[in-house]
Amino acid sequence: EAQVTQNPRYLITVTGKKLTVTCSQNMNHEYMSWYRQDPGLGLRQIYYSMNVEVTDKGDVPEGYKVSRKEKRNFPLILESPSPNQTSLYFCASSLWGPSGTDTQYFGPGTRLTVL
Amino acid sequence: AQKVTQAQTEISVVEKEDVTLDCVYETRDTTYYLFWYKQPPSGELVFLIRRNSFDEQNEISGRYSWNFQKSTSSFNFTITASQVVDSAVYFCALSVGGYSTLTFGKGTMLLVSP
Repeated sequence: EAQVTQNPRYLITVTGKKLTVTCSQNMNHEYMSWYRQDPGLGLRQIYYSMNVEVTDKGDVPEGYKVSRKEKRNFPLILESPSPNQTSLYFCASSLWGPSGTDTQYFGPGTRLTVL
Repeated sequence: AQKVTQAQTEISVVEKEDVTLDCVYETRDTTYYLFWYKQPPSGELVFLIRRNSFDEQNEISGRYSWNFQKSTSSFNFTITASQVVDSAVYFCALSVGGYSTLTFGKGTMLLVSP
């Protein structure tokens, strides 16, 4: 089954404790992206990757890191999480990117709480 | 810069009513793509439709229809004969040709009561 998986689905952590949210897709997609969703703000793009070893900032990259060492994986890293990073995070992938004619598939979301 | 405005924060209707969700976009590019996504209470994001800037044909899919008007920079979404299962948050999004970012509106929460 074609899908985007994220782990963990739920995470409660404390300020400053490094964490990684994994994202994996099995569709051989070139493009992957991370978004955060906050009440009243909709979804905002954090980082995206056009292909392996190529990443770029979205609208709200501060406090986050990503890497794309393999096509299927695109982990989101919070080196020193802060309470303002408490949010619902979505990973997404598509064949070429949202400017193409393909569909962007979203993962199930990761709800992160930083105390 | 791109912008998507969904002015309706929340809409409540009774089952079987028709409802239109508004989406207004801003971009200076002539090539762009518009999307609608549905987020039911379970939280996942479900792709509904994609439309490019060169195709102003309206689309109908079952009870769903979309009205794309470049003259007013709008891409509105209508649900005919709404059902309780339509209750969700609906997002409109914009991507500009040549770039890889997707700009979302803040979403409209639709509540359909029986």
